[in-house]
Amino acid sequence: KAGVTQTPRYLIKTRGQQVTLSCSPISGHRSVSWYQQTPGQGLQFLFEYFSETQRNKGNFPGRFSGRQFSNSRSEMNVSTLELGDSALYLCASSPTDRVNYGYTFGSGTRLTVV
Amino acid sequence: SQQGEEDPQALSIQEGENATMNCSYKTSINNLQWYRQNSGRGLVHLILIRSNEREKHSGRLRVTLDTSKKSSSLLITASRAADTASYFCATDAVATDSWGKLQFGAGTQVVVTP
Repeated sequence: KAGVTQTPRYLIKTRGQQVTLSCSPISGHRSVSWYQQTPGQGLQFLFEYFSETQRNKGNFPGRFSGRQFSNSRSEMNVSTLELGDSALYLCASSPTDRVNYGYTFGSGTRLTVV
Repeated sequence: SQQGEEDPQALSIQEGENATMNCSYKTSINNLQWYRQNSGRGLVHLILIRSNEREKHSGRLRVTLDTSKKSSSLLITASRAADTASYFCATDAVATDSWGKLQFGAGTQVVVTP
């Protein structure tokens, strides 16, 4: 079956702009999580959506937001971009029984803010 | 902040040798997962070990889990150049606010030379 698909793979944006990233989970997976990876902070949890509802949120400012659609596809949005938002953004999907099956990650979106 | 600590931070070995890396964590967990990442790309799920398991094997991988010490180890036997990557442990915590949230270690960078 198809894996987790993230688009686009690469983005270059200017400070102050906003950006939207997309994630399509594995078919049948209803949970989608987002992570930010930077050399300094490592992998940090952004938020998780399940059946169109945000169930969990990490410690990021309100400029970071997300949503999930009825087909489980998810988008995350970052407004008023800052240089420090440059990172690899990863999404992961999991089945309902995540305890036994874990998560599958996409290839990521590399965002560069200039 | 990250839940786990990984040791060592970097490991350089020759093909055919074994590679061992360790992970410690802080809270009660449902499971612990190991991931591989090549050159800043997506995370590849390697193996999941549940909290009631002590050892698990998958091909050339062997994972142990000691919940009393809150630690895990990943052994890669007969390393190949293609095993060159960063390896991350991640815990799925029992806490009620852990939905969709993996806590990652800082990773071990493994270099396997031919």
